Amino acid sequence: NAGVTQTPKFRVLKTGQSMTLLCAQDMNHEYMYWYRQDPGMGLRLIHYSVGEGTTAKGEVPDGYNVSRLKKQNFLLGLESAAPSQTSVYFCASSPRTSGGHLSYEQYFGPGTRLTVT
Amino acid sequence: AQKVTQAQTEISVVEKEDVTLDCVYETRDTTYYLFWYKQPPSGELVFLIRRNSFDEQNEISGRYSWNFQKSTSSFNFTITASQVVDSAVYFCALKNTGNQFYFGTGTSLTVIP
Repeated sequence: NAGVTQTPKFRVLKTGQSMTLLCAQDMNHEYMYWYRQDPGMGLRLIHYSVGEGTTAKGEVPDGYNVSRLKKQNFLLGLESAAPSQTSVYFCASSPRTSGGHLSYEQYFGPGTRLTVT
Repeated sequence: AQKVTQAQTEISVVEKEDVTLDCVYETRDTTYYLFWYKQPPSGELVFLIRRNSFDEQNEISGRYSWNFQKSTSSFNFTITASQVVDSAVYFCALKNTGNQFYFGTGTSLTVIP
């Protein structure tokens, strides 16, 4: 199993350009998440999905869009990149909570380092 | 509202010393889950432990141990006899009965040989 993979690993954009980050998981997980990591800020949730065809906003959704057309893929789009979106982006997935007193941990991808100039 | 506080931004210890990383959380839910992750210099996030709110039993795994105290809303992480390979950023996270995880800002640990 490859686990969670992210494409690309690095990208440099000019202000106003658009791009899509791809996250793929081969663990048949229901839940997928996009985070951004900035120095001193920890990980902040951008958007997440609890299943194919469904998405929801997280803590910092502005300037981003997402789509989950296939269960294994979760795409993060930047329509008009801004320097404030310079960050490291992490994708994560986890199985559906099975009920009772159990919640699974998240499995993370290796990250995408994005610089917007 | 859910919140996770890791007040220690950076810690440096000499190899073989013990070190405790603090994590304090806030939630109104009675059912919740707490996690610790490690992020070594290579950048990937590695899961270390999960604990649910109904299980206050402390856990030990090798040189790692975790102390969960609901009375003080804390879930602290201790590394015994630290090693250089323990140098990393450590994140504490909280998940309530919703689908979101809430991360602390992380503690950067440096173990000096």
